[in-house]
Amino acid sequence: KNEVEQSPQNLTAQEGEFITINCSYSVGISALHWLQQHPGGGIVSLFMLSSGKKKHGRLIATINIQEKHSSLHITASHPRDSAVYICAVRGSQGNLIFGKGTKLSVKP
Amino acid sequence: GAVVSQHPSWVICKSGTSVKIECRSLDFQATTMFWYRQFPKQSLMLMATSNEGSKATYEQGVEKDKFLINHASLTLSTLTVTSAHPEDSSFYICSARRGHRSSYEQYFGPGTRLTVT
Repeated sequence: KNEVEQSPQNLTAQEGEFITINCSYSVGISALHWLQQHPGGGIVSLFMLSSGKKKHGRLIATINIQEKHSSLHITASHPRDSAVYICAVRGSQGNLIFGKGTKLSVKP
Repeated sequence: GAVVSQHPSWVICKSGTSVKIECRSLDFQATTMFWYRQFPKQSLMLMATSNEGSKATYEQGVEKDKFLINHASLTLSTLTVTSAHPEDSSFYICSARRGHRSSYEQYFGPGTRLTVT
């Protein structure tokens, strides 16, 4: 079993839909990252959080430390949101452990 | 936000040659830099961690003599793939950490796609 599990692996949505991507982890962490990887491969760090909730524009990230679970929400999705979204947790040694990613495709 | 650049963005080389990839933190000094490799449809895998002025720490299974890492300054790290083989074809991503252990941000470069023919 992977230490970081994401669901779903693939997600297709219509423009305007509300999207949720989930991340569960099994190790103790000091922080959790949500990353966005564009089709060309470049990676953008969306959020780093260790508790509660963060919001940036149409993106919202939440984390529940007790349940070892985080969610990334996208409101009013747009085709330009199409990308792979990666959850990564920072272990006790400071290293990052990555999930396999969720491929999101938003259709116009 | 902080920017990390990589050069080149893509490279094609012949088997047996060496390729150098540069990673720069453009607007901050990176306390630590990381090199990752990503095969198609796979997660990022950490190859090595480097601190400025000291030897890189390689992950298990990564050949230090094949993947040479030089972290010459707080803004530049290089990865040299020596005697490249087709199986080294991959997407190489660097990441730079700003700040200290208790509170830091980690920023990713755009990646370098290496194809070895």
